[in-house]
Amino acid sequence: KQEVTQIPAALSVPEGENLVLNCSFTDSAIYNLQWFRQDPGKGLTSLLLIQSSQREQTSGRLNASLDKSSGRSTLYIAASQPGDSATYLCAVNTGNQFYFGTGTSLTVIP
Amino acid sequence: GAVVSQHPSRVICKSGTSVKIECRSLDFQATTMFWYRQFPKQSLMLMATSNEGSKATYEQGVEKDKFLINHASLTLSTLTVTSAHPEDSSFYICSGTSSLSYEQYFGPGTRLTVT
Repeated sequence: KQEVTQIPAALSVPEGENLVLNCSFTDSAIYNLQWFRQDPGKGLTSLLLIQSSQREQTSGRLNASLDKSSGRSTLYIAASQPGDSATYLCAVNTGNQFYFGTGTSLTVIP
Repeated sequence: GAVVSQHPSRVICKSGTSVKIECRSLDFQATTMFWYRQFPKQSLMLMATSNEGSKATYEQGVEKDKFLINHASLTLSTLTVTSAHPEDSSFYICSGTSSLSYEQYFGPGTRLTVT
């Protein structure tokens, strides 16, 4: 069964720093991987979707990479801002089901 | 991007009553819809997967007689929590995918509080 792990569980950084969030999965047979943002009490907001054939995707200050063979993905956030404070989830899509990581709670300190 | 709506956004009900939550895909046909539940400070947990016109597939440990899911059309799925108990209080999120993409579009969620 697919298992998705995110490290670290929580991260606190001063404003302006670049940071990396990690996501690992146990089964490389995936269709795609998504990174989401969740604000407290809110639904998930999709940030980036990486297809299994892709190595990375970029959107603004966000860059997500995928190394399917090693079962890893990273979310890089450049020049962090207080508004980036949220929980970040990665989810692996096997084609039949989505498997979510436990999330990284990010706090950007002004 | 594609939009998924949920109604209601918040609901408070008394123990023993039933609550229906609607999930609608507004600008795409959701051939598959997922229902998730999130307890505080925990990750989303998939409850069930439903394909339009078919019976939902429930995850292990999810009572299908308690959480009734109907996916009667390509734009609407409903989750009915029957005989609700306080431990059912949670944040319920639906999502949908189309046959054209595996990208998953999430609804904003419904906060259920059972008193």
